Amino acid sequence: EAGVVQSPRYKIIEKKQPVAFWCNPISGHNTLYWYLQNLGQGPELLIRYENEEAVDDSQLPKDRFSAERLKGVDSTLKIQPAELGDSAVYLCASSPRTGLAFDEQFFGPGTRLTVL
Amino acid sequence: LAKTTQPISMDSYEGQEVNITCSHNNIATNDYITWYQQFPSQGPRFIIQGYKTKVTNEVASLFIPADRKSSTLSLPRVSLSDTAVYYCLVGDIRTGGGNKLTFGTGTQLKVEL
Repeated sequence: EAGVVQSPRYKIIEKKQPVAFWCNPISGHNTLYWYLQNLGQGPELLIRYENEEAVDDSQLPKDRFSAERLKGVDSTLKIQPAELGDSAVYLCASSPRTGLAFDEQFFGPGTRLTVL
Repeated sequence: LAKTTQPISMDSYEGQEVNITCSHNNIATNDYITWYQQFPSQGPRFIIQGYKTKVTNEVASLFIPADRKSSTLSLPRVSLSDTAVYYCLVGDIRTGGGNKLTFGTGTQLKVEL
């Protein structure tokens, strides 16, 4: 079974530039999560989708971050414009069921963003 | 949301049993306890989840005392490949209750020969 796929794996950009990350969850998984992980810290939830609906986006900095999951399958997370403090690893995860906050999550390898 | 406290780091040797304890003094009635493992440059991986008493799977055991104010992840006979960060999460598995998935800083386990 294929795992969660994320691309790109690494991205280096200048500050104030836009950047986008893509995630393809495990087939059949209805819940999708985006996390941000800073060095030495645990992942922090940015947004959670159940199918195509964002059911928890309270942690997403909406002035510069946006996300979409138009057909309830793959998802894109965008930052525009990027700031130096956005340098981190962006993780995508999926889980098979909806309606459970602590369902087993399957994580992708992440995208390491460096903002110069 | 129940706050968790874990040791920052632990050291062990191959073949030993490792027990990592997580304190969660204000755990709520509907809260479950979940543990994840994370290797460098990878996303976290689910290890085990439980509510009370003892849960065992093919990789670990989770011990939860009656008062549920702490839990212990037990890794039998660790190997070098168990070197990783281990996160304890506590929260209501139901959605809609304002539950936030919080990983904390985790415990860095280092296994040596």
